[in-house]
Order: sequence, then structure tokens, then C-alpha cells
Amino acid sequence: DSGVTQTPKHLITATGQRVTLRCSPRSGDLSVYWYQQSLDQGLQFLIQYYNGEERAKGNILERFSAQQFPDLHSELNLSSLELGDSALYFCASSGAFQNSPLHFGNGTRLTVT
Amino acid sequence: AQTVTQSQPEMSVQEAETVTLSCTYDTSESNYYLFWYKQPPSRQMILVIRQEAYKQQNATENRFSVNFQKAAKSFSLKISDSQLGDTAMYFCAFMKPDGGSQGNLIFGKGTKLSVKP
Repeated sequence: DSGVTQTPKHLITATGQRVTLRCSPRSGDLSVYWYQQSLDQGLQFLIQYYNGEERAKGNILERFSAQQFPDLHSELNLSSLELGDSALYFCASSGAFQNSPLHFGNGTRLTVT
Repeated sequence: AQTVTQSQPEMSVQEAETVTLSCTYDTSESNYYLFWYKQPPSRQMILVIRQEAYKQQNATENRFSVNFQKAAKSFSLKISDSQLGDTAMYFCAFMKPDGGSQGNLIFGKGTKLSVKP
């Protein structure tokens, strides 16, 4: 068990809808990362938050947004969903130091129909 | 921009044998970290081993070891005494530190390893 909790495990929704994925980092970890894993794109970095502030942005679509709350949990919001958004979405967390590894949650499987 | 390449989409190995997975990367940075992650069918991402670029000594974790060739930008993973539980996708990843903290990981496409009894 990595200590990173993601909910829900599975999500099935229709095109055009909006969903929210939730992540609770390991106790004490200040950084949260979101990754998307799809068959054609592989594992792609979406966005990073550090102690509530956006730290880095990757290949995140404008239809997607995220935030990190004061209790350090994070939410990834996906709107105007398209079939191509179907993927496994991972959250990871890490400590504050350079040698702190990333610990991944078990992911949320999103299926857009 | 940094890139990570895993040239072997699939590999197989007999139980108890040794297998080496290849990874090359491209960067102009001098300070960075390299990782191997394992993703079994359960889909969880599990850290296998990591290497700091400034360390010349190759990292080792039990049956897992790396061959880090900084000049060649190569970072291969050797699995000794392969076990059925090693069957998984293996991802090589690069990370450039972000100031004084962790940066984000850039992953290769992965190598699917099958361990046969």
C-alpha cells in the first residue's frame, strides 16, 4: 500500500459530462502529481501542486483543471468529456526533498461512452 | 525537452533466468534522477529502483540492479533469478529536480515482461 488514496476506482460517464477525481496524498507529503495513462499516449504528466500552489504544468488540456486544498488533498476536474479522455488517471505524492520518490495511488479508470 | 526511450515493447524470460531491459534518455541536464517503475496487472505503479545521476555506483535492490552509463545516456535494468511475480510492464522514467524539491517524471513507453514457468 503506497499510502496514496484515489477515489473512485472506476468511473463511467457519457460524452459532454464533467467528473471529479479525488486524491489524498501520503501523510506529510506536500506535492501531488496527476498523470494520465492511455494506450496511445502512454503515461503523461498533467499537473503538479505543492502545498496548495500549482508548481508545474504538463500536457493538460484546457478542459481539465485541478486544485490542492488546505488539507493537501487534490481534485482533478475533467469537463466536456470526449471518448479520447478514456484513460487511467493516476495521482502521486512526494515529500519535499529532491531524493523523495513519487508514490502512486491505484488510479481511477475513466470510461467515456 | 527530455525524452525517454524503451526500445523493447515486449520481452520474455524463463523463471530463474536473468533478463535486461533497455532504456535510453536524452537530456542536457547534469543533475537528474532515473527510475524504474513496475506496473503489474493490478495496475499499481511500484517503484523498483532509482539512480542519482551524480552517483557513479550502480544502484541495486535485491534481485534488481541497473547499469547506468551517463555518457551514453543509458539506464538498463537487470532482473536476476526472475520470478513469476515479476511479470509486469516496466517503465523507465527521468526526473529533473525542481529547485530544492521533486520534479515531475517523464516516462518511456514501457516494456512488457513475461516470466514463463
